[in-house]
Amino acid sequence: GAGVSQTPSNKVTEKGKYVELRCDPISGHTALYWYRQSLGQGPEFLIYFQGTGAADDSGLPNDRFFAVRPEGSVSTLKIQRTERGDSAVYLCASSFTANYGYTFGSGTRLTVV
Amino acid sequence: AQSVTQPDIHITVSEGASLELRCNYSYGATPYLFWYVQSPGQGLQLLLKYFSGDTLVQGIKGFEAEFKRSQSSFNLRKPSVHWSDAAEYFCAVGEAGQNFVFGPGTRLSVLP
Repeated sequence: GAGVSQTPSNKVTEKGKYVELRCDPISGHTALYWYRQSLGQGPEFLIYFQGTGAADDSGLPNDRFFAVRPEGSVSTLKIQRTERGDSAVYLCASSFTANYGYTFGSGTRLTVV
Repeated sequence: AQSVTQPDIHITVSEGASLELRCNYSYGATPYLFWYVQSPGQGLQLLLKYFSGDTLVQGIKGFEAEFKRSQSSFNLRKPSVHWSDAAEYFCAVGEAGQNFVFGPGTRLSVLP
């Protein structure tokens, strides 16, 4: 596609529920990144895929967070047993190579009530 | 560990005035350097990037940034600010194939 697409744009869920956030990167981009941005802060790295594999998942805060990219294109970020502290904007970015910098999607605003 | 500081949380300038947003980083080598802009409710847009070569880089929307190795800085500048430049600005550093570290951001307000 023309840009990085993230769905849904907004998600409200109850504490303890499971959520999935989807990212559709720019066609042909092999690298895909997930970041989390809390109010008033810069984006915080979560996980980076190169192709289908997670090249670096050191930013995932705990084992409630998991991400997949089974075919090397679309990625899904999964959060189990959501907590109010998970509320944030989840940003996805993709790049052809790191030399070009990222192209970000508009994000998914997750609110846990 | 890598870190990025943006000393100014909030800056207010008058329309037409010049602008400089500061960014300092701590990194083991010369990293890739970026500036992104985020308008309210929007995603991040790349303004410019530095990898190597000429230390003064030009970006979109009339922005430029200068890499100063001796000061570990990558400050963003614009000679004449427009009201539409009001947004949040993020500096980021990293290296090829790795994740990038973002600064906390500087919010720019523009007075008419």
